[in-house]
Order: sequence, then C-alpha cells, then structure tokens
Amino acid sequence: SQQGEEDPQALSIQEGENATMNCSYKTSINNLQWYRQNSGRGLVHLILIRSNEREKHSGRLRVTLDTSKKSSSLLITASRAADTASYFCATDGGWGKLQFGAGTQVVVTP
Amino acid sequence: DAGVIQSPRHEVTEMGQEVTLRCKPISGHDYLFWYRQTMMRGLELLIYFNNNVPIDDSGMPEDRFSAKMPNASFSNLKIQPSEPRDSAVYFCASSFGEQPQHFGDGTRLSIL
Repeated sequence: SQQGEEDPQALSIQEGENATMNCSYKTSINNLQWYRQNSGRGLVHLILIRSNEREKHSGRLRVTLDTSKKSSSLLITASRAADTASYFCATDGGWGKLQFGAGTQVVVTP
Repeated sequence: DAGVIQSPRHEVTEMGQEVTLRCKPISGHDYLFWYRQTMMRGLELLIYFNNNVPIDDSGMPEDRFSAKMPNASFSNLKIQPSEPRDSAVYFCASSFGEQPQHFGDGTRLSIL
C-alpha cells in the first residue's frame, strides 16, 4: 500500500515558472524524501528532510514538512525543460524502509 | 563511479518460463532493495537485505518470487513460473546505512 499521496497527479508549466507539488502521508515518520524519475530511468534522490526539520533547501529545490498535518511540499523554482520528470515522495518510518507515493508528473515546456 | 547495475534492461518471455533479474549494488553499500513499479500499484518494495541477509520479504507477492544475495556484490530476483500479471519494471536500489537509496535503471519485464 502507498503511504504518501502526491497532489497534483500531473502538472504542466512553462520554463521559468515555479512548480509546487504536495505529499500527504498517514503514519509517523523518521524522515521524508523526494525522488525524481526521468522516463525509462531509475529514481534519483533529490532531498531528505528529517521529522524535526520544517524546511530545507538544495539549489532550486525547497522542501517543507508539517508533521502536525502529515504533509510535505516540494517547490522547484525557475523550472527548466530538464526538470520534466515524475516526482515521488517517500516516507521512512525507520530502518530505511521507504514507502513511495504515486508521484506527480511534471512537464516543463520551453 | 559506477552506480547500481541491473541486467537485463529488457526481458520478454512466455508465461510459465523462469525469469532471473540481476543486480550489482554500489560497492560498500550494506542495504539492497528490490522494488516493482506498475501503473496500477506504483512503486512497491518487494524485499530488502542488510549485509546480505534478507530482513523483510513481506512485499514478495507469492511463492513464485524468490530473491537471494549470495555476496555483497550481487543479488538476483527469480520468478518461477512467470505469469502475465508479473509484467512490470523491477528496480534494484542500494544504500549505506541511513543514507538515501541509489536506484538502478530497472529491468522492464514483459510476460506474454
């Protein structure tokens, strides 16, 4: 069963715009991670936020975590065509065992 | 720096045949995970190993599936006999301790 649910399922934006996607989960977590998957490729880790953190930045990525609402958001600023991919949140309840959401498909048009 | 290597990249076989998927994790990593990805069910964890020992195989769908890790540099996932509903992309991932997982590019399996 999937722990995280992403919203929206799909997102289409133009280059330069920001992309925001959300993830909700059900049980307590040690950390929450975001991964990117390009078509036909494996998942690539983007960023990890621990349960005691509220916000984290990495380059053009900004992740927030609200444990009281059991939700997280991923913001990609100044998007590029190369950001076209599916984005997944994954919750780690302990021991490194991840549960992935269904993903958000992002299309960035030039 | 070699990442996680999976073989074959594509496999097409007939129902009832045995299928073997292979994975070489990143050297030094002590965790290895097998996932299955389908449109209907998303990404599911099948089994994971720590230091070559299976820790949790609760995601393995049924007895037709088995996985082994004979040493730190190799794991395989077998399906015998295969069925059309086993068609999916199978991913292997590895990690060191609590570090994020590194994924291979997967094996796209089609069972006719």
